Amino acid sequence: QQQVKQSPQSLIVQKGGISIINCAYENTAFDYFPWYQQFPGKGPALLIAIRPDVSEKKEGRFTISFNKSAKQFSLHIMDSQPGDSATYFCAASMYGNQFYFGTGTSLTVIP
Amino acid sequence: KAGVTQTPRYLIKTRGQQVTLSCSPISGHRSVSWYQQTPGQGLQFLFEYFSETQRNKGNFPGRFSGRQFSNSRSEMNVSTLELGDSALYLCASSLDPGHDTDTQYFGPGTRLTVL
Repeated sequence: QQQVKQSPQSLIVQKGGISIINCAYENTAFDYFPWYQQFPGKGPALLIAIRPDVSEKKEGRFTISFNKSAKQFSLHIMDSQPGDSATYFCAASMYGNQFYFGTGTSLTVIP
Repeated sequence: KAGVTQTPRYLIKTRGQQVTLSCSPISGHRSVSWYQQTPGQGLQFLFEYFSETQRNKGNFPGRFSGRQFSNSRSEMNVSTLELGDSALYLCASSLDPGHDTDTQYFGPGTRLTVL
């Protein structure tokens, strides 16, 4: 059973546009929700993370929106740039337990 | 601080052989997790070690095993390799699962090809 469901599988956005990636989770015990960015040939790198006590967190052009009642969270990339082209993974975890990852979204930003 | 390092970066093996992969976590990190990444399956959790003890385990056969040493370095072993084991194996370390900053930091991975 997929604990974290991620959509879309792939996304093409024009430069300057907004990229939105969505994730949904099942287990209400999850208390940490990070997003990772992965470039080809590299390991995933932490982009931004949120805990369920806040509904939004912003770091530069990247924003996480969190809806606890709907058990959903999303990543918004404002003013998307070609350098943002990568695969993005959402994840969820709870104290002392493993991380559960979404299946990834391949983002392509067209110049 | 140096990041997570994994060795070797690339491996080519044949079916039936066994392989050992190594991971050195960020200094001070006590938790090490291993993942298998394939194009079709994404990141699949293998196991997590904390203070030399396996604390969590994913749904992989017993051919996949691991261990952690007192200096937090970890090794992962796959015996009787199958073609389907070809993947990128990622190691991630964190300060302490459940700690306020329990972010996982990933290494570059070991690309295993089974022929």
